[in-house]
Amino acid sequence: AQTVTQSQPEMSVQEAETVTLSCTYDTSESDYYLFWYKQPPSRQMILVIRQEAYKQQNATENRFSVNFQKAAKSFSLKISDSQLGDAAMYFCAYRSPLEKLTFGTGTRLTIIP
Amino acid sequence: DADVTQTPRNRITKTGKRIMLECSQTKGHDRMYWYRQDPGLGLRLIYYSFDVKDINKGEISDGYSVSRQAQAKFSLSLESAIPNQTALYFCATSPSGRDNDNEQFFGPGTRLTVL
Repeated sequence: AQTVTQSQPEMSVQEAETVTLSCTYDTSESDYYLFWYKQPPSRQMILVIRQEAYKQQNATENRFSVNFQKAAKSFSLKISDSQLGDAAMYFCAYRSPLEKLTFGTGTRLTIIP
Repeated sequence: DADVTQTPRNRITKTGKRIMLECSQTKGHDRMYWYRQDPGLGLRLIYYSFDVKDINKGEISDGYSVSRQAQAKFSLSLESAIPNQTALYFCATSPSGRDNDNEQFFGPGTRLTVL
């Protein structure tokens, strides 16, 4: 079974600084997707960024980018120019070829003004 | 209007009661999912359905049942609620087809408390 590990239960960053959230996963598959979801206090799950395993280029969405290391099974999220609205729980997720999502346990990100 | 809706948004019930959580979607997706979220455990898959005639158990299906009444509706039932089913429940949908990136779209969640 696939597992997703987020080893940082909590992180904090100064406003306007950069922070990196870690995620590792375990799979024997070669074709899969990886996602980062954000859950603000409103509890809505919001997709931040996605990465196809067959693509070597790291995904980027505005201030959000990933460092995807397929051989190491690592998928970290970098948030640049952190803003107060970035404060949330962040979940890393793995989607298997059978279309099921497996989530990590989350990292709570605090933005310090 | 929201694409994926859940009712109720909050519910308090007593041990032993039967409760149904409902999910509706206007996205036209074939695939629907139910997850529960517990503090420190992330989201875990309860049941999923790839079309109206397809129902599959997830990793934590014990104590739950589901019904896919139509493409747009997928309900989750707790036949006899117990306190450790207190959690936040999410419904999600995704399109089918291998060419799609198959992002899952989540509803707003239902906060269930079992006393």
